[in-house]
Amino acid sequence: DTAVSQTPKYLVTQMGNDKSIKCEQNLGHDTMYWYKQDSKKFLKIMFSYNNKELIINETVPNRFSPKSPDKAHLNLHINSLELGDSAVYFCASSLGTGGYTFGSGTRLTVV
Amino acid sequence: QKEVEQNSGPLSVPEGAIASLNCTYSDRVSQSFFWYRQYSGKSPELIMSIYSNGDKEDGRFTAQLNKASQYVSLLIRDSQPSDSATYLCAVIVRGSNYKLTFGKGTLLTVNP
Repeated sequence: DTAVSQTPKYLVTQMGNDKSIKCEQNLGHDTMYWYKQDSKKFLKIMFSYNNKELIINETVPNRFSPKSPDKAHLNLHINSLELGDSAVYFCASSLGTGGYTFGSGTRLTVV
Repeated sequence: QKEVEQNSGPLSVPEGAIASLNCTYSDRVSQSFFWYRQYSGKSPELIMSIYSNGDKEDGRFTAQLNKASQYVSLLIRDSQPSDSATYLCAVIVRGSNYKLTFGKGTLLTVNP
């Protein structure tokens, strides 16, 4: 019973390609997030959706586009991938001011 | 000014000792405070949350919050080698749409 599941776990792709990462949670949480963890292990928020509404949109290139078809799903589409996009991307969910539950991460490598 | 600051370590303690991890935050309207543990190659895992001044204990873990000093700490008693990981301090600021802001983490190594 995975609480927050992301696919794929690993993604290796060439520069210039477009790719998507999917996330689903079965915790009944109302808010979902995308975080990026860089090579120095710093976790930084990218986006947040509450009940399908975008509520946090940090300074992220517009090549990154999140989409939430319902409150249990949050996907991330990335256009024209660049070398600097290589990182681990984590999906997370929460309810109110409670702590987040993170997915297992997607390690993206752009070559 | 960094929002959440932690000593990056590494912090090395012998097995059975108390490990003390510290964190300071800059925003006075921070309302919720968390400690996450992240093993290498894994996702962050919530181990403690604290919302009001004082101590909160859960097993071998104690979180301490001092809002006047803008300081939150995590004590791990009877440290075990399996506690070796990066510990991330995180804060939610009131009015931030529940945005969780992380420190850069402290790497803890417990030596057998």
